[in-house]
Amino acid sequence: SQTIHQWPATLVQPVGSPLSLECTVEGTSNPNLYWYRQAAGRGLQLLFYSVGIGQISSEVPQNLSASRPQDRQFILSSKKLLLSDSGFYLCALSGFGYTFGSGTRLTVV
Amino acid sequence: AQSVTQPDIHITVSEGASLELRCNYSYGATPYLFWYVQSPGQGLQLLLKYFSGDTLVQGIKGFEAEFKRSQSSFNLRKPSVHWSDAAEYFCAVGGRPNGYGNKLVFGAGTILRVKS
Repeated sequence: SQTIHQWPATLVQPVGSPLSLECTVEGTSNPNLYWYRQAAGRGLQLLFYSVGIGQISSEVPQNLSASRPQDRQFILSSKKLLLSDSGFYLCALSGFGYTFGSGTRLTVV
Repeated sequence: AQSVTQPDIHITVSEGASLELRCNYSYGATPYLFWYVQSPGQGLQLLLKYFSGDTLVQGIKGFEAEFKRSQSSFNLRKPSVHWSDAAEYFCAVGGRPNGYGNKLVFGAGTILRVKS
C-alpha cells in the first residue's frame, strides 16, 4: 500500500531562519505529490503540486518553494521564514488513491 | 476552476441528535469526492469517498454521504452523534487519483461541537 513519511512532526523556528520539510513516498511510482498548509482556524490550502521529477506548480504566491529531486521525494523550503508561515503542513500523494502524511506543525517565533 | 464550499463554519448538536454537514463543489469533470475528519492536533482521517456507483456511500464511524449531481452537493450525515465526533470536518473534490495533474481541493472545514 502507498505510504508517506513526513518529518519532523513539530518544529519551532525563529523568524528569518531557513526551512526544509521533507516527505518521502513508498508503495507507488510516479505519483502526483502535494503540499498543503493549514493555518490556525483555516482550512487546507494547496500550496504546490508536482506531477513528476523537477515539475512543480505553485498554487499561491508566497514565501515558500518546493522541489522534487527524485520521484518519491518532495521537499518544501524557505530561505527566510516569516511569522505568517506558521501552520500545519501536510504532504499528500495521489496514486491508487489519496494518501496524506501525518503532518508537520511549524511555529515561527 | 474546482472549488468546495462548506457553508457552515461551526455547528453545535446535542449528543444523540442527527447531524448533516453541507458540502457543495464545483468541478468540470467527473468528481471524486471525499470527507475527512481532523481531531485537534491530529492529521487527517478519511471518513468516506465517492467515485461512482451508488450515490449513497457509507463510511467509518457510522457516517454516510449522499452525492447529488444535480445540486453539486455531497452532504455528510450521521443519525446519532457521539461526543467523540467533535472535530473538524473537511469536504474535498478532485479528479481520478492517478490522473495527470490532478489536484485535490478542500473546503474551509466545519467545526462540530457536541453538547451533552
